[in-house]
Amino acid sequence: GQNIDQPTEMTATEGAIVQINCTYQTSGFNGLFWYQQHAGEAPTFLSYNVLDGLEEKGRFSSFLSRSKGYSYLLLKELQMKDSASYLCAVQDSNYQLIWGAGTKLIIKP
Amino acid sequence: IAGITQAPTSQILAAGRRMTLRCTQDMRHNAMYWYRQDLGLGLRLIHYSNTAGTTGKGEVPDGYSVSRANTDDFPLTLASAVPSQTSVYFCASSVSSGETNEQFFGPGTRLTVL
Repeated sequence: GQNIDQPTEMTATEGAIVQINCTYQTSGFNGLFWYQQHAGEAPTFLSYNVLDGLEEKGRFSSFLSRSKGYSYLLLKELQMKDSASYLCAVQDSNYQLIWGAGTKLIIKP
Repeated sequence: IAGITQAPTSQILAAGRRMTLRCTQDMRHNAMYWYRQDLGLGLRLIHYSNTAGTTGKGEVPDGYSVSRANTDDFPLTLASAVPSQTSVYFCASSVSSGETNEQFFGPGTRLTVL
């Protein structure tokens, strides 16, 4: 079957760095997405990886290892507004997105 | 309008009633999707449409139907609502379906079936 695993919840301190991990087992792989979702709002696109390695975009970076079925999202210089859920999604062989349940990130001052 | 709109924002519905959730996008995207989001579960695909005039079943299609008469609109219908269909429903669109494209999401419809 297809499976995406992420931690349910994480807590971090304002100004710090946090890494949110995602492991996956899917039928085929056509890329991995990270989305951010604030409470009561729609998911919004953060990053996309299809090749192994690190993609950096400002304070956010995303890493992919296809051989290990593993990705992480790295958030630097955490701000209170980063408190949200972070969703990992893999595009399978049919280009459909398979979603993890999301990681709720709590930022403390 | 800009992006994707959904209506209604929220709805309380008696079991057995018929309900249509509306979704409209103005980005001229070919592909559209309906998801439901439940606590502790990832977004689950209900139905999708790769282009106007075509639709397909997702992971959890039972009890739902869709139509795609034109590029912009993709309504989702619950023929006879049941309490297990209580959820937050998101409509999304992407430029196309057979390539790697980010999906853009509407604001969601919170549906409660009693």
